[in-house]
Formats: sequence, structure tokens, C-alpha cells
Amino acid sequence: AQKVTQTQTSISVVEKTTVTMDCVYETRDSSYFLFWYKQTASGEIVFLIRQDSYKKENATVGHYSLNFQKPKSSIGLIITATQIEDSAVYFCAMREDGTNTGKLTFGDGTVLTVKP
Amino acid sequence: AQTIHQWPVAEIKAVGSPLSLGCTIKGKSSPNLYWYWQATGGTLQQLFYSITVGQVESVVQLNLSASRPKDDQFILSTEKLLLSHSGFYLCAWSTRDNAETLYFGSGTRLTVL
Repeated sequence: AQKVTQTQTSISVVEKTTVTMDCVYETRDSSYFLFWYKQTASGEIVFLIRQDSYKKENATVGHYSLNFQKPKSSIGLIITATQIEDSAVYFCAMREDGTNTGKLTFGDGTVLTVKP
Repeated sequence: AQTIHQWPVAEIKAVGSPLSLGCTIKGKSSPNLYWYWQATGGTLQQLFYSITVGQVESVVQLNLSASRPKDDQFILSTEKLLLSHSGFYLCAWSTRDNAETLYFGSGTRLTVL
């Protein structure tokens, strides 16, 4: 069965610095998709960035980038130049290929606090 | 651009009462639709998915049911609420390619007393 683990319960950083959030996953599939979502204080869940397992290049979107280490089953999220509004809960999620169920396996989330 | 609207924003209901939550997506034809649930302070768990009108598959048994009466509408309901139904319900959509990203609605916060 799939499993996604986020070991960092919470992180606190000073704004304008860089933060890395860890995520490791377990799957038997050779093809899978990894996602990072952000949950704001209102509860809204916002898609940030994804990595397809067959792609070697790390994904980058705006000030979000990924550190994909396939041999370690690891997909870290890097946020550069953090802003106060980046404070949120960040979820790592995995989706296996070959199904059309839309099932994402989520980690437990990491609470990020960005302080002035 | 696609938009996804969930209603109501929040509900406070009594144990044993019925419930109906809704979700509408605009700007996308024939999307895959999903219901997810999040316990307070917890992670997200998929409840149902639907790839076409009239067809809904259950992923977990939580004494809830779902229906897709229209291409752009997904309904979550139950005739008798339990305390354990409290939490945050999120509707999501994706295109029919099974590799596509899920996009979530703003959610409905349900409190069962």
C-alpha cells in the first residue's frame, strides 16, 4: 500500500529566507506522481507543484521548487524568499499511475510559520 | 478558467439529522469529481469518486453516500449523521487523464453535535 510521511510537524522561519520541507513515500509502482498542496487558514487547499516520477529534472514553479531523490523515495519542497503569507499547512501527496480513481495519499502535513 | 463552488460553507447539525453537501464545477466538461474528508487537525482521505454522470464509486465506508446528477454537480449526503462525521469536506476535480492534478474547492466545515 502507498504511504506518505512528513516527519516535520512544524517549521518556523524568518521571512525572506529559504525553507525545505521533507517528504518520503512508499509505493510499489514504477510510475507515480507527487504533489505538494498548501492549506490556508480558511481551509482552502491550493495546488502548488508536482513531480512526475519519470522526469529527472526537478520541478520549479515561481518560488517553489522540488528536490526529487528517486532512489531515496524523497520529494522535498523548497520555498525561497519566504513571505508572511506562505504561513500555512503544507501537504505532500502521491498518486499512482494506472488508475482513474483520483486517489491521492496524503502525508500528515507540516505547519509552516513565517515570522517577520 | 475552471471554478469549483461548494455549498454550504459551514453546517452545524444534530446527530441523527440528514445532510446534503454540494459541489459544482464550471468551465470544464466531463471532469472527474471527488469527495475528500479531513478530520480536524488531520490529513485528507478520499471518500468517493465519479468519472461520469450517474456513476459514483465509494472508497471508504463512512455511512455516507454520493451522487452525480449532472455532469457538473456532485452531491454528498446521509440520512443520519454521526458525531464522527464532523470535519472538513472537500470536493475536487481533475481531467480524465489519470495523471492529472486534483484541484480542490473551498470546502464545507461540518460540526455534528
